[in-house]
Order: sequence, then C-alpha cells, then structure tokens
Amino acid sequence: NAGVTQTPKFRILKIGQSMTLQCTQDMNHNYMYWYRQDPGMGLKLIYYSVGAGITDKGEVPNGYNVSRSTTEDFPLRLELAAPSQTSVYFCASSYSASWGAGSTDTQYFGPGTRLTVL
Amino acid sequence: KNEVEQSPQNLTAQEGEFITINCSYSVGISALHWLQQHPGGGIVSLFMLSSGKKKHGRLIATINIQEKHSSLHITASHPRDSAVYICAVGLSLGETSGSRLTFGEGTQLTVNP
Repeated sequence: NAGVTQTPKFRILKIGQSMTLQCTQDMNHNYMYWYRQDPGMGLKLIYYSVGAGITDKGEVPNGYNVSRSTTEDFPLRLELAAPSQTSVYFCASSYSASWGAGSTDTQYFGPGTRLTVL
Repeated sequence: KNEVEQSPQNLTAQEGEFITINCSYSVGISALHWLQQHPGGGIVSLFMLSSGKKKHGRLIATINIQEKHSSLHITASHPRDSAVYICAVGLSLGETSGSRLTFGEGTQLTVNP
C-alpha cells in the first residue's frame, strides 16, 4: 500500500492564481483531513470529510474548497491564492474519527505540499 | 492561551539520556495523540491514548485525565530520535458541532551523539 499520497510536493503560485492540491489514500479510510502548518504554529484543520459526498469545515476554511467524490480522493482547491496561504499542507486519513470518544484509531499523514504564494 | 500547551519548546540532550516532553490541555478531551515529525517534514502517529499508559519500544506515553496532562518519555535516547514531537487532543465542539483535533506547537528535540 502507498498509504496517503499528495501532489505536488512543491508549488509556487502568484497572487490570484488557483490550484488544486491532490490527496489520495489506498487504505479504504472513511475519514480524510486537510491541515496547514505554519512556521512555529500547530497544525490547523482546514476541512475534513467523513465519507464520499460529505465534507465539513475545520478551523481555517476561508479561501479553500474541497470535494469528496470517491473514498480514495480528497482534493483541496485554492481559488484565489493569497500570501497568507503560504504554508505546508498535509492531507491525512483515518478509518474512523480520531477524536471520537473511545476511538482507538490513528491518523495517517501524507508527505505534505509546500506552497508559496508570491 | 492555547488549548494545548507543550513544554519545552526546544530540548537538546546527549545520547543515552532519558527524555520527557510534556503536554497540558485546558478542556475535556476524548483522546490524545502524540505524533513525530521528521526533519524532512513527514508526520507519523506514535500513540493515541485516552487513559493510563502506552509503551512502544523506547517510547512511553502517559496521560492523567484529572490533571489534564500527558507526557511522552524516550528512554536511552539516540540521535535518530531527533525530530519535532507534537501533542494533539480531540476536543468536542458541542452536541451539534462535532469535534476536532487541536495540535500543540511541537517540541523540537535534538539528541547529540
């Protein structure tokens, strides 16, 4: 199994450009997540999905959109890139909700995408 | 004040030393995670626990629910343990709002040979 894969690994965007960060998992996990990690800060949840066709906002959803048409794929869309979106983006997946009461599940992370908006 | 506080922020140790990284949180949680972020950026989940203690090799994680505190211990530390260690807690947002993971800022551990 490849686990969680993300593309691209690096990207430089100009202000106002759009792009899609791809995320795929081959573990048949129900839950998928997008995080951003800024220097010196903890990971922040952008969006998450509990299954195909179902998505919900996390802590910092503004400026982003997601879709979940299949169990495997969870792309993150930036419509109008801004310098504040310069960050490292991580996709993760888990079989069930890692925060749920009594849950014993863990999250598996992709390698990350380093995005710079100039 | 952050909901999740880690200490220390940076830690330098000599090979073989016993390492302790602390995590305190301010609200009731359903689960606590310890993660390791390698120098190359990859993140790996080490432990998830909601009570007591877990051990995996030289790593031990404990949690005290009453004191809202968790510790990650590394015995016989090695330079390959050098990484950022991240604590994350599962927080309820309320009955109709679900819940989310909140991450600490991480502890940068450097183990010198």
